[in-house]
Amino acid sequence: DQQVKQNSPSLSVQEGRISILNCDYTNSMFDYFLWYKKYPAEGPTFLISISSIKDKNEDGRFTVFLNKSAKHLSLHIVPSQPGDSAVYFCAASGRGSSNTGKLIFGQGTTLQVKP
Amino acid sequence: DAGITQSPRHKVTETGTPVTLRCHQTENHRYMYWYRQDPGHGLRLIHYSYGVKDTDKGEVSDGYSVSRSKTEDFLLTLESATSSQTSVYFCATRTYSSTDTQYFGPGTRLTVL
Repeated sequence: DQQVKQNSPSLSVQEGRISILNCDYTNSMFDYFLWYKKYPAEGPTFLISISSIKDKNEDGRFTVFLNKSAKHLSLHIVPSQPGDSAVYFCAASGRGSSNTGKLIFGQGTTLQVKP
Repeated sequence: DAGITQSPRHKVTETGTPVTLRCHQTENHRYMYWYRQDPGHGLRLIHYSYGVKDTDKGEVSDGYSVSRSKTEDFLLTLESATSSQTSVYFCATRTYSSTDTQYFGPGTRLTVL
């Protein structure tokens, strides 16, 4: 059972426009969410995160929105640039008392930004 | 960049042979993780370590074992490789803090024939 889902395998946008990547989760115990970006033949790199006590976190061109009631988060990239073309993974963690940091990842969405 | 290296970066092996993948970190991070990445599945946790000699299973641990004898090294062993273990393997590390940001290595592409 996939606890974190990215239902869009791919997304194509024009340079300068907004990219919106979506992620849904089922486990209400998740309280920390992250987005990672991955280029081919490289490891994932951390992009942005959000705690469940917030509904928005912004870092430059990247903003993550969290809707706890809908168990949904989204990553907005504005403006999109060709260098943003990569696979984006959302991940969730339920820290609890053990704080082992185990992450559950979605399947990934491949973003293509066209010049 | 958490100074994570993985070796080998590529390996081709035959079914039934043992394989050991190595993860080395230079940041003295307490937590280390092994994931595998497969199409349609994202990254799935195999095993993790929360200190020297302290390890636990992840969601896809069958067929894998791990060892951590030093803070900087985390080994993943496939005792008898199978074709279903053909995958890209990523190591990650994390400090003990209030955030759960994990830093990933460059990956090892393993092919089991």
